Amino acid sequence: ETGVTQTPRHLVMGMTNKKSLKCEQHLGHNAMYWYKQSAKKPLELMFVYNFKEQTENNSVPSRFSPECPNSSHLFLHLHTLQPEDSALYLCASSQDSQDQPQHFGDGTRLSIL
Amino acid sequence: AQSVAQPEDQVNVAEGNPLTVKCTYSVSGNPYLFWYVQYPNRGLQFLLKYITGDNLVKGSYGFEAEFNKSQTSFHLKKPSALVSDSALYFCAVRAGGYQKVTFGTGTKLQVIP
Repeated sequence: ETGVTQTPRHLVMGMTNKKSLKCEQHLGHNAMYWYKQSAKKPLELMFVYNFKEQTENNSVPSRFSPECPNSSHLFLHLHTLQPEDSALYLCASSQDSQDQPQHFGDGTRLSIL
Repeated sequence: AQSVAQPEDQVNVAEGNPLTVKCTYSVSGNPYLFWYVQYPNRGLQFLLKYITGDNLVKGSYGFEAEFNKSQTSFHLKKPSALVSDSALYFCAVRAGGYQKVTFGTGTKLQVIP
């Protein structure tokens, strides 16, 4: 029970498909994050939202489009992805305070055919 | 710029023996340091953090970490390893006044029965 729920857990899609990843947090946090985790690579921060406003876009390709309608929900819209986009996508949330840890969901394992 | 180094890709330790997972950091100003653990097919779970105060920080599951300012290190330790401690461990740093957290590349801990 992490308090951060990600759906779906697994997703297989073709390069021309459009799909969305969903993240929901039940912790009352005001900051939410998307990370990409690939084998043998450091965890890559993609986007940060603070009080629903995007505060960081870490040079992510436009085929990834985030949406944060409120402080509890975060989406990652995907379109025309590439095989190298196959990875585990992790959502996290935290209080907007420097000393507070992030709470992670269990991720969506994405495979691009 | 801030950075974290985890020099060991993998650490092997016998069950019951003490374990150490190494982490060094580079940051401007005072660091906020974190350790996370990731089990297979799960997200990262927070273990412990150093903000200020005592250099020895105690966390979940019997883990502790020692902050050493002169060596810019924050090694994770446990007096007696369990097989169930086998997982991927991440060190992370955040500089004061900066929201972005930088994660290390992770160290795989293997506890041998």
